[in-house]
Amino acid sequence: EDKVVQSPLSLVVHEGDTVTLNCSYEVTNFRSLLWYKQEKKAPTFLFMLTSSGIEKKSGRLSSILDKKELFSILNITATQTGDSAIYLCAVRQGGSEKLVFGKGMKLTVNP
Amino acid sequence: ETGVTQSPTHLIKTRGQQVTLRCSSQSGHNTVSWYQQALGQGPQFIFQYYREEENGRGNFPPRFSGLQFPNYSSELNVNALELDDSALYLCASSLGGQGLGDTQYFGPGTRLTVL
Repeated sequence: EDKVVQSPLSLVVHEGDTVTLNCSYEVTNFRSLLWYKQEKKAPTFLFMLTSSGIEKKSGRLSSILDKKELFSILNITATQTGDSAIYLCAVRQGGSEKLVFGKGMKLTVNP
Repeated sequence: ETGVTQSPTHLIKTRGQQVTLRCSSQSGHNTVSWYQQALGQGPQFIFQYYREEENGRGNFPPRFSGLQFPNYSSELNVNALELDDSALYLCASSLGGQGLGDTQYFGPGTRLTVL
């Protein structure tokens, strides 16, 4: 059965801390891995990763994929209260083009 | 803002009723996917429409059905509502056929409560 597992499921940190979010997957016909941030309702797109070892970076956020070990990490440096959200990892499968999501990781950044 | 809109934002129904949720895709996108997100869970894939044809379906019963129109907007219909259908329903649009470059952009969702 296809599955995406995120860890930890929740994390509380102080502003300025660095956090690492983990995502492992076992999915047939892997095409790409995506990270989303969900604050209230709509998940907003952060990164799409297709190749191993190539870091994607956007401001304080960065992500990398390891297709051999079947995992990805999302790093957030110098966290801010606005980073408080649920972070979703999803794997896109070829063929049906569906996304298989993990349960999400709730990050709380306290001032 | 992704340009993906959904209506209504909230809906309350009773068991056994039927509901129709609507989604307008981002301009230029021809693919719409629907997801169900229960409280505390990640979104679960319901089905996808590409150029008005169903292009994949998740593990949902036939009482979940959909439609895509020539302007690529879409509807999700759920018949014989059950309590477990209470969830946030998300629509995502994308430009299908782009291979690895395809990214799904989500709308704000419809919160359905079944009493």
